[in-house]
Formats: sequence, structure tokens, C-alpha cells
Amino acid sequence: AQTVTQSQPEMSVQEAETVTLSCTYDTSESNYYLFWYKQPPSRQMILVIRQEAYKQQNATENRFSVNFQKAAKSFSLKISDSQLGDTAMYFCAFVASNTGNQFYFGTGTSLTVIP
Amino acid sequence: EPEVTQTPSHQVTQMGQEVILRCVPISNHLYFYWYRQILGQKVEFLVSFYNNEISEKSEIFDDQFSVERPDGSNFTLKIRSTKLEDSAMYFCASSERDYGYEQYFGPGTRLTVT
Repeated sequence: AQTVTQSQPEMSVQEAETVTLSCTYDTSESNYYLFWYKQPPSRQMILVIRQEAYKQQNATENRFSVNFQKAAKSFSLKISDSQLGDTAMYFCAFVASNTGNQFYFGTGTSLTVIP
Repeated sequence: EPEVTQTPSHQVTQMGQEVILRCVPISNHLYFYWYRQILGQKVEFLVSFYNNEISEKSEIFDDQFSVERPDGSNFTLKIRSTKLEDSAMYFCASSERDYGYEQYFGPGTRLTVT
């Protein structure tokens, strides 16, 4: 069975500082993809970053980067130079080749950026 | 930028009633999904739909649930006889490609069963 765990229900960070959100997952598959989605208050989830498991290089998107540790099954998200607009719920998600298009989500981390 | 839309944003229904939740996926997308999130729990996969048929479904998606793409633009989720435990946020999603690609999510429909 595939599981995704986010151990930090809530986090806060000062504007312009850096914050890291943690995510671990469990799978026996070697072929899979990992995602971080952001859900601002009362808005839909939007993709922040995507990582392909077969790529060793960590994905980056502007101020967002991941630390993908395949052996440890860890996929943390680093947000640099935090902005007020980063305040949102962040979901880690996973899809494996043996489960087709079925995304598995963590419980989410609520991030508040403090001015 | 194109978005997935869902209607209504909030639906209140009585136990045993049928409800239909509606979604308009992004127009050039071929794969469609429904997920749900019970308050305080994880977002859970319900079903995926491609080429006018269900491609995958979870254990949650029992005979009380059905999906349809009635007119080439809408994608609906029907719950035939709602139960209290069906109260949840229901998210529609769509994707342009198969496995491993981004799914675009709608804002959700909050279903409250009383």
C-alpha cells in the first residue's frame, strides 16, 4: 500500500525567511512521481513542484525546491524568501506506476507567513 | 489560465436523496478524476475516467456512485442515496496526459448530508 505522511500540521515563518516542509512516503514501487500542491485559503489546489523518482537531481521552481532522498523515502519542500502569498495549505502527493493515475495525498501542512 | 470549475460550491441534502456534483474540466484534457476529503482527513481518490469509461476506482466508489460525461464538456459525479458519511469536500480534477502528469484541481464542492 502507498502512504504519504506529513508530520507538521501547522508551521509559520517570517516573511523573507526560509522554511522547509517535510513529507515521507512508503511504496515498494521504483517508478513513481512526487508532487507538492499549494491550496490558498478558499482557492483550488495548484501545483508547486513535481519530481520524477528516476531523476536524482532535485526539482526547483523559482523560490521552491525539493530535497528528494529516495533511499529514505523523503521529499521535503523548501520555500526561500517567503512571501505573504505563500500562506496556504501544502499537500504532498504521490503516484506510482502500479496505481495508474491515483494520487495519494498527505494530510497537509498549514503554512502561515508572518509579516 | 484555464481552470477546472465546479458547481455548486456548497450542497446541502437530506440523507437518502440523490445528488449530482458538476465539474467542467479544462477543455483539451482527456483524463478526469474525482477525489473527496472528509473534514480533518486526507484527500482520497474516488475514480478516474478516460475515453468515456471508468479507468480506475477506489474501494470508496461503490454502487452508490456513478460518473458521466454527458455532453463533452461537463463531468458529473452522482451519489444515488446519500449517507451522513458522504459529507465531505469533493474535488474534480483533469489532466492532459496519463500517469505521472499534473492533475489540475477544481475548487471543490462541499457536500453536507443531514
